[in-house]
Amino acid sequence: GAVVSQHPSWVICKSGTSVKIECRSLDFQATTMFWYRQFPKQSLMLMATSNEGSKATYEQGVEKDKFLINHASLTLSTLTVTSAHPEDSSFYICSARDSGRGAKNIQYFGAGTRLSVL
Amino acid sequence: QKEVEQDPGPLSVPEGAIVSLNCTYSNSAFQYFMWYRQYSRKGPELLMYTYSSGNKEDGRFTAQVDKSSKYISLFIRDSQPSDSATYLCAMSEGAQKLVFGQGTRLTINP
Repeated sequence: GAVVSQHPSWVICKSGTSVKIECRSLDFQATTMFWYRQFPKQSLMLMATSNEGSKATYEQGVEKDKFLINHASLTLSTLTVTSAHPEDSSFYICSARDSGRGAKNIQYFGAGTRLSVL
Repeated sequence: QKEVEQDPGPLSVPEGAIVSLNCTYSNSAFQYFMWYRQYSRKGPELLMYTYSSGNKEDGRFTAQVDKSSKYISLFIRDSQPSDSATYLCAMSEGAQKLVFGQGTRLTINP
């Protein structure tokens, strides 16, 4: 149980294009999902918290117009990197908090998406 | 000072050794403590979860939380080469966002 599916696992795109990353909780409902960014040999950096049916909450310094987040259902959140540039190249990871165990604040992570912008 | 401190290593031990990984923290309001394992170019995998102080054991893994010292540990017994990964401690205050340590890179040598 507690499986989070994230895809694509790897995407290469040209500078100026937009890329959408999907995060799905497969066997539980997730009122809240999170999007992280990770640079090589560093820990996870929280970008935004995504709540089903409402606007995402972005961390300080994260451009909400560049990183669009949609959480339209209890099992799906998407991150769209708009007008991607080489500096957006990174490893993006989503996580989902099991609504049924919300008080315990356990997050389950997807496998991550490696974005390379040429 | 970071809210959560974790030695990044790298830590290298022989197969079969007992591994001890640790994190210290400064926020006494943290209640939920987790250890994640992350293989290269993969997402973190939840290993252990502990609420408040105490010990928890799962197979070869034991997690300890000492809230009085603001110190948490993960012990790995009979370590295997497949345990080679980065180990991240994470903690939170209630339903607030997780705060992660820097991660410790562990290598188990056959």
